[in-house]
Amino acid sequence: RKEVEQDPGPFNVPEGATVAFNCTYSNSASQSFFWYRQDCRKEPKLLMSVYSSGNEDGRFTAQLNRASQYISLLIRDSKLSDSATYLCVVFMGRRALTFGSGTRLQVQP
Amino acid sequence: DAMVIQNPRYQVTQFGKPVTLSCSQTLNHNVMYWYQQKSSQAPKLLFHYYDKDFNNEADTPDNFQSRRPNTSFCFLDIRSPGLGDAAMYLCATSRDLTSGEADTQYFGPGTRLTVL
Repeated sequence: RKEVEQDPGPFNVPEGATVAFNCTYSNSASQSFFWYRQDCRKEPKLLMSVYSSGNEDGRFTAQLNRASQYISLLIRDSKLSDSATYLCVVFMGRRALTFGSGTRLQVQP
Repeated sequence: DAMVIQNPRYQVTQFGKPVTLSCSQTLNHNVMYWYQQKSSQAPKLLFHYYDKDFNNEADTPDNFQSRRPNTSFCFLDIRSPGLGDAAMYLCATSRDLTSGEADTQYFGPGTRLTVL
C-alpha cells in the first residue's frame, strides 16, 4: 500500500465549478499535511498547509480527518488558471516529505 | 529573485557517462533535498542533508551520490546513468527538521535529464 494515495484524475470541470480532491495516508503518526500545486513541467509549489481545524485561503479549503486518515482540498469557483496537478504531501517526522502522485485538474472554458 | 537555482535546466548524457547536477540556494536553509520525479509520478526523495549530515533513503541506488561542500551548494552525481534514470531532478530546501513540524520546502525549477 502506498504511503500517500490520491485519485490521479483527470478531473475535467467547467469554469466556476466546485471540485474536491481527497487523499489518504497510511501512517497514523503523520504530523503535518500539505497541498502542493505542480504545473506541467514545473516544480511543486506550496498551496496550503492543512490543519486539524480546517483552513481556508480564498477559494481553497483544506480539511484533515485524522480518525479516517484523509485530507481534502476543495476549490470553489474554478478558474482556468487552477488547471494543474495537486499533490497531497505528508510529513511523518525525522525525514522529508512524502508526496502522493497527484490529482490532475483541467478547468475548461 | 530565484531562491533555489538549479543548473543546468536540461542535461543530455549518454548511457554510462557520469553526470553532475547542481543546486544552489540563497535562503541559508539548513536542509537540502534531492528528489527524482518521473512522468506522472510523485517526487521521490533520494537523499537529504541536514547541514553536513547526509541522510540516504534506503531504496536510493548506489549509482546516485551527493555532495554538499557548503551551506549554499549541493550536487547530485550520477555515476553511470541508465535509461531508467531519465527524469526530472528537483532540489529543495527547508529551514530545519527538528521543529517537530515540517517547514515549507522551496523547490528549484528542476533539471530534466535525458539519457541516450
